[in-house]
Amino acid sequence: QQQVKQSPQSLIVQKGGIPIINCAYENTAFDYFPWYQQFPGKGPALLIAIRPDVSEKKEGRFTISFNKSAKQFSLHIMDSQPGDSATYFCAAIPNAGGTSYGKLTFGQGTILTVHP
Amino acid sequence: DAGVTQSPTHLIKTRGQQVTLRCSPKSGHDTVSWYQQALGQGPQFIFQYYEEEERQRGNFPDRFSGHQFPNYSSELNVNALLLGDSALYLCASSLKDRRKPQHFGDGTRLSIL
Repeated sequence: QQQVKQSPQSLIVQKGGIPIINCAYENTAFDYFPWYQQFPGKGPALLIAIRPDVSEKKEGRFTISFNKSAKQFSLHIMDSQPGDSATYFCAAIPNAGGTSYGKLTFGQGTILTVHP
Repeated sequence: DAGVTQSPTHLIKTRGQQVTLRCSPKSGHDTVSWYQQALGQGPQFIFQYYEEEERQRGNFPDRFSGHQFPNYSSELNVNALLLGDSALYLCASSLKDRRKPQHFGDGTRLSIL
């Protein structure tokens, strides 16, 4: 059962472009949404995270937009660079009456390639 | 400041064998979670340990078990290995609060022949 759906599977942009990765969820118990970046041979690294009471959050060149009513959120990478080429995962953590304990549910991942 | 360290980095086993993977959490962290990442997929939650007890478990069979030691380090044990257990096994450490960032190690690549 895929609780967090991520698209596209892969994305190719030119340097300076703005790739956008989208995620959607059904479980309304999700209330914390982190994004992770993973390079080959490495573990995922936290990029940025958002709560549903905020519609947008920026950290450096990374921006999350959140639409609570549509249960969708997206990652924008401004002025993308070849070094941003990696796999990106959205994730969600539920608030289940204190029993969720930070269980991350990940999307399927998006392979981003930024050409010079 | 050392991050999350996992050992070994690679492991090859045959079907039916048992394996133990190890994780040392980031300094100051008291909670350890384990994830399985199949090739081309997102990580799947196996279980989480806090205060030496399994606090939550994902949809994995009892062949998967774990342990947390008083120094917060952790082990993941898998018995009766199947071909489908081939994956990257990731350890993540964090503080108790579920919204605190989880820091991942670089994983153990397990191959089953």
